[in-house]
This record gives sequence, C-alpha cells and structure tokens, in this order.
Amino acid sequence: DGGITQSPKYLFRKEGQNVTLSCEQNLNHDAMYWYRQDPGQGLRLIYYSQIVNDFQKGDIAEGYSVSREKKESFPLTVTSAQKNPTAFYLCATSQGYEQYFGPGTRLTVT
Amino acid sequence: GENVEQHPSTLSVQEGDSAVIKCTYSDSASNYFPWYKQELGKGPQLIIDIRSNVGEKKDQRIAVTLNKTAKHFSLHITETQPEDSAVYFCAASITDNFNKFYFGSGTKLNVKP
Repeated sequence: DGGITQSPKYLFRKEGQNVTLSCEQNLNHDAMYWYRQDPGQGLRLIYYSQIVNDFQKGDIAEGYSVSREKKESFPLTVTSAQKNPTAFYLCATSQGYEQYFGPGTRLTVT
Repeated sequence: GENVEQHPSTLSVQEGDSAVIKCTYSDSASNYFPWYKQELGKGPQLIIDIRSNVGEKKDQRIAVTLNKTAKHFSLHITETQPEDSAVYFCAASITDNFNKFYFGSGTKLNVKP
C-alpha cells in the first residue's frame, strides 16, 4: 500500500450522520476504486473511476457517493441512507494490469 | 458478469508443508488473475499474478497455475512458514480498456509451527 493513503484508520460515527473517507495516491494511476469488506467476506465494489471527473457505480453503490476532482484523490461519502455502514473500506488504484490497495479504514456506526 | 469461486474457505497446514488454494471463474474473456494476501486489519497485498497467455508463474516459494480450458487457477505455497498465515484472495479481470476485478471469497490459511 506504499503510495496509497487512507485516513483515518478507524472512524466512529453516530447513526444518521454522513461521513467521508479519504483516499489519496501518489502513484499517478488513472483508475481508482472503493471496496467494502465485511468480516469473513470478500471484497465488494462500491464505486470506481477511470479518469478525473468520471466515476461509475459498482455492485453496491446505494447509500454511497464519490467525487473525482483530482487524479490523486477519490473520497467516499457514506450517507445516512446506507443501511449497514459498519465495515472495512478499502481504496485501490490500477494502471495497466495490476491493482494495489490502501491500508483501509474501519468504520463503525452506532 | 464474471463469477469467481474460491476453495477452501479455511486451510490449516503444518509448517514446512505445502498449501494449495483453488479458484474457478466463469467468463472466458477474463485474462488477468492476481492473488492477494491480507493480514489482519490491513489492506490486501498483491503477491503474484498471471496473465492468460501463461500457464504457470513462480516466485520463490509461491507459484500460480492457470488452466484456461477448465477456467481455473491455483495458488501454491511451498515450505510454508508461520508468517504465511493470512487470508488469501484470488481475482479475475478482463483488461480491455478498464480493469474491473472480481474477487473470490477468500481462504484463511493457518500455518501451525
């Protein structure tokens, strides 16, 4: 996860509040992704972006929003509409074949 | 869309033994198959990958094999060590103009000292 930064590592929020997770990369990769990981499960794609100012919904986009105003940044907002927001969130980038992951943010909503 | 299945879900081996994790995929257009290792509380780390024009790739103690006809690929770890204990994920991707990755459900590998 060398060139991908996710902050904070742990995040706590009350139910009903929106929260934004940060993802920054210095790899100069065009593509960026957000995944959600639940305990003992695989990775599910929330949103992805191929280039600046463009992004597409993944398999579980409901209750989430993103922006891609800069190549280096792809923030994810978890809205109050997301029914089960508590999870481990992973940002990734890709250029060519390989995909690389950030260290993740663990979000807990109570 | 693509469907990737991974087996087994848990695998326990003795230190020094070999471990094999298997994945199958459904879309014959998939042409790139990475493997990731995820330690507790961390992001997945790319450990080895293989492209569809190659049948086998090796990197020290780890190797990946691909059978395009049968649509399955496997991760082989030899001489396992306790530090190999982690969750391993396989993935498949169609690398046309954009990489969308489809992941297996993961294998928790436990290497007993």
